[in-house]
Amino acid sequence: SQTIHQWPATLVQPVGSPLSLECTVEGTSNPNLYWYRQAAGRGLQLLFYSVGIGQISSEVPQNLSASRPQDRQFILSSKKLLLSDSGFYLCALGIIYNSPLHFGNGTRLTVT
Amino acid sequence: TQLLEQSPQFLSIQEGENLTVYCNSSSVFSSLQWYRQEPGEGPVLLVTVVTGGEVKKLKRLTFQFGDARKDSSLHITAAQPGDTGLYLCAGTAFLQGAQKLVFGQGTRLTINP
Repeated sequence: SQTIHQWPATLVQPVGSPLSLECTVEGTSNPNLYWYRQAAGRGLQLLFYSVGIGQISSEVPQNLSASRPQDRQFILSSKKLLLSDSGFYLCALGIIYNSPLHFGNGTRLTVT
Repeated sequence: TQLLEQSPQFLSIQEGENLTVYCNSSSVFSSLQWYRQEPGEGPVLLVTVVTGGEVKKLKRLTFQFGDARKDSSLHITAAQPGDTGLYLCAGTAFLQGAQKLVFGQGTRLTINP
C-alpha cells in the first residue's frame, strides 16, 4: 500500500523567511502528486499538482512554488513567507482516475 | 471554475438524532468522494460514488450521488459522539492529464452525548 511522509509536522516561521516542505511517497511509482492548503476547519484548496518529474501545474497565483525533482518527492517552497501563508499543508497522491487521493498527515505552518 | 457548496457548514446535534449533509454544484463530476478528517490529520476516504443515482451504505452512513452527478448527500442515522469530525465532499475532474479533486468547504459535525 502507498505511504506518504510529510515533514515537519509543525513549523513556525517569521515573515520574510524561506520555506521548504517535503513530501515523499512509498509503495507506488509515477503517481500524481498534489499540494493542498487548508484554512482552520475548512475545505482544501488545491495549490499545485504534478503528473511526473519536473512537471508542475499551479492552480492559483501565490507566493509559493513547487518542484518534483524525483518521482516520489514533491517539495513546496517559498522565498519569502507572508502572514497569509499560514495554514495546514497537505500532500496527496493519486494513482488512477476516479480513485481516491491518499493524504499525508500534513504540516501546520504558522507565519509570525 | 468548478465549485462545490457544502451545507450546513456547522452542525451540532444530540446523540441518537439523524442528520443530512449536502454537497451541491452546477458542474458535473465524474465521481464524488466523501472524506472525514480529524484535527491535525489528513482526510480519510469514506466512500466514492461514480454512477448517477448511486446509493452506498457504510453502517449508519448513507451516501447518495445525484442523478445528474452534480450533487451528493451524506445521511447519518442515530448519530454517535464518535461521528464527530469534519466531513468533506470532493468532486473529481480530469484536467491536463491529471485527476483533480475539488473540495467543498466542509461540515463541522459535533455529536453531543
